[in-house]
Amino acid sequence: GQQLNQSPQSMFIQEGEDVSMNCTSSSIFNTWLWYKQDPGEGPVLLIALYKAGELTSNGRLTAQFGITRKDSFLNISASIPSDVGIYFCAGRHSGAGSYQLTFGKGTKLSVIP
Amino acid sequence: DADVTQTPRNRITKTGKRIMLECSQTKGHDRMYWYRQDPGLGLRLIYYSFDVKDINKGEISDGYSVSRQAQAKFSLSLESAIPNQTALYFCATSDYPGPKGAKETQYFGPGTRLLVL
Repeated sequence: GQQLNQSPQSMFIQEGEDVSMNCTSSSIFNTWLWYKQDPGEGPVLLIALYKAGELTSNGRLTAQFGITRKDSFLNISASIPSDVGIYFCAGRHSGAGSYQLTFGKGTKLSVIP
Repeated sequence: DADVTQTPRNRITKTGKRIMLECSQTKGHDRMYWYRQDPGLGLRLIYYSFDVKDINKGEISDGYSVSRQAQAKFSLSLESAIPNQTALYFCATSDYPGPKGAKETQYFGPGTRLLVL
């Protein structure tokens, strides 16, 4: 099955720094979702994007649906230790099979106090 | 209380054994999914169900079967477990998004960690 290209695979940052990660696809999506997974837990939805160019915030998190509909970005401002975890993007195509999400492989974030 | 629950949370079994993982939800969603997560591979869809009488194969259904006993319950079975089925398994749910289908999001359970020896 298709996989999204998510980068970076991992990041070590200092507490207080801003973080950026992104996902790209060779095909067009009509939905982009960003999830966070804490150790031993299931993914939790952070932000959902439904329209090209859409920019949506959730506290210190901001995500954008790329204009080309083939990419999405997640930014975290002023990171704190509880931001540690794995962040996944997921995209959905339009049309047949549009129930199915395609997941990126995740970005593992470590925050150094 | 959690909206999506999975039992057991951890399971160790031997090669060749049949095991069942269970998922229950209180969100009232029609759609339910089973995913498998392996390190570095993200989530891959095993089976999905859009209502009680609907079962569909996902990307990696071989070696697995499912049963949708009720709107709120969706179980995953490994008929004869093998070591490469060692993974983290997640159940997810979503609501019917309407005729235009765009605004649908999936909500995940806490996962079942399975080890097949």
